[in-house]
Amino acid sequence: AQSVTQLGSHVSVSEGALVLLRCNYSSSVPPYLFWYVQYPNQGLQLLLKYTSAATLVKGINGFEAEFKKSETSFHLTKPSAHMSDAAEYFCAVSGGYQKVTFGTGTKLQVIP
Amino acid sequence: DVKVTQSSRYLVKRTGEKVFLECVQDMDHENMFWYRQDPGLGLRLIYFSYDVKMKEKGDIPEGYSVSREKKERFSLILESASTNQTSMYLCASSLIRRGRGDGELFFGEGSRLTVL
Repeated sequence: AQSVTQLGSHVSVSEGALVLLRCNYSSSVPPYLFWYVQYPNQGLQLLLKYTSAATLVKGINGFEAEFKKSETSFHLTKPSAHMSDAAEYFCAVSGGYQKVTFGTGTKLQVIP
Repeated sequence: DVKVTQSSRYLVKRTGEKVFLECVQDMDHENMFWYRQDPGLGLRLIYFSYDVKMKEKGDIPEGYSVSREKKERFSLILESASTNQTSMYLCASSLIRRGRGDGELFFGEGSRLTVL
């Protein structure tokens, strides 16, 4: 069984401030972990993924995430928020099979 | 450029109607998925398929069926639409290899279905 918990359905940050979106996972096997972003009226696109090669993963648009096995976490960060980062972000887990389980999403608001 | 195309962006149907949602991908991916997205619930997997004519139930298959007659096309069918099936439906495809789960999902733009 696998699951994802995203803490905070809405997060607001000021432009230029640190972005931190939290994700905790549960998996009975070593997981593959993903962050996807969804802009309004669009489908989801991949930001980054963890596949056991390195615990710190860098993605597109300056985002990165760190896999912490002891905390079962995969939090997404960006040092400096930009207005264009306003979107909904989804954490997802896959346990070595085709099925990918998504979290409930976090909407990021960036305040000018 | 990879592309997943969903046939309708917006549909309005009446309770009891049969509804077809079509999805086509041009990436020669083996795996295709149907999710529904609802506010506060995230994405929930309805069905997926890892080969032509193969299908597997996801987390919420009740009230839905699927068809995959060709590799590039995956259809979601609502046999008798109900108001609780009003939602955003997202199709995705991937190259996830069997026994591995590290492949990227490529999504269509979604089909917003309203059932009256």
